[in-house]
Amino acid sequence: EVQLVQSGAEVKKPGESLKISCKISGYSFTTYWIGWVRQMPGKGLEWMGVIYPGDSDTRYSPSFQGQVTISADKSISTAYLQWSSLKASDTAMYYCARPRAVAGPLDYWGQGTLVTVSS
Amino acid sequence: EIVLTQSPGTLSLSPGERATLSCRASQSLSSSYLAWYQQKPGQAPRLLLYGTSSRATGIPDRFSGSGSGTDFTLTISKLEPEDFAVYYCQQYGSSLLTFGGGTKVEIK
Repeated sequence: EVQLVQSGAEVKKPGESLKISCKISGYSFTTYWIGWVRQMPGKGLEWMGVIYPGDSDTRYSPSFQGQVTISADKSISTAYLQWSSLKASDTAMYYCARPRAVAGPLDYWGQGTLVTVSS
Repeated sequence: EIVLTQSPGTLSLSPGERATLSCRASQSLSSSYLAWYQQKPGQAPRLLLYGTSSRATGIPDRFSGSGSGTDFTLTISKLEPEDFAVYYCQQYGSSLLTFGGGTKVEIK
């Protein structure tokens, strides 16, 4: 059974750093892309970017380029999304999801990680 | 960037009625690379349809999709109580995936 299990909710202050995770099981981690989707409170879905764990090829949406870093650790089948300096506007639910290709329908999703940034 | 515009924003219907949701793209989508998702409160989105009209695993046949080029439609033939949710379209014709703003299907 394919599973994407994300790390728990986080409460941070502006300026702090953060790394959230998405652990994959049920398929070969290195043979599918993994992406991240943001959903701000009460809003729609936004594609942030994607990584291919096999070779760490990473693509970012222009809106998120330079704002976040997507990475992966093949040894533990885990993808990451990180911020070096959080802003209040980063408050959102973040989902990892598996596309069928670098650009494809997202057929498996994590349960989401709620990030709250507040002073 | 391909912009997707969904309409209406909210659809108020009763169980058993037919729901028709629209998704319009700012440019023609190659090979109909259009998907639909359902999201219920407190849950992650779930893939319903891909390639415009192919149902994802486990999706009942009351969900169907049609369209091509820039105009796409999700139809729910007879609304069940569990179908009241928000629906998003998504294009994957380019490496920059984009989503529509969503249509909320609510109980009338």
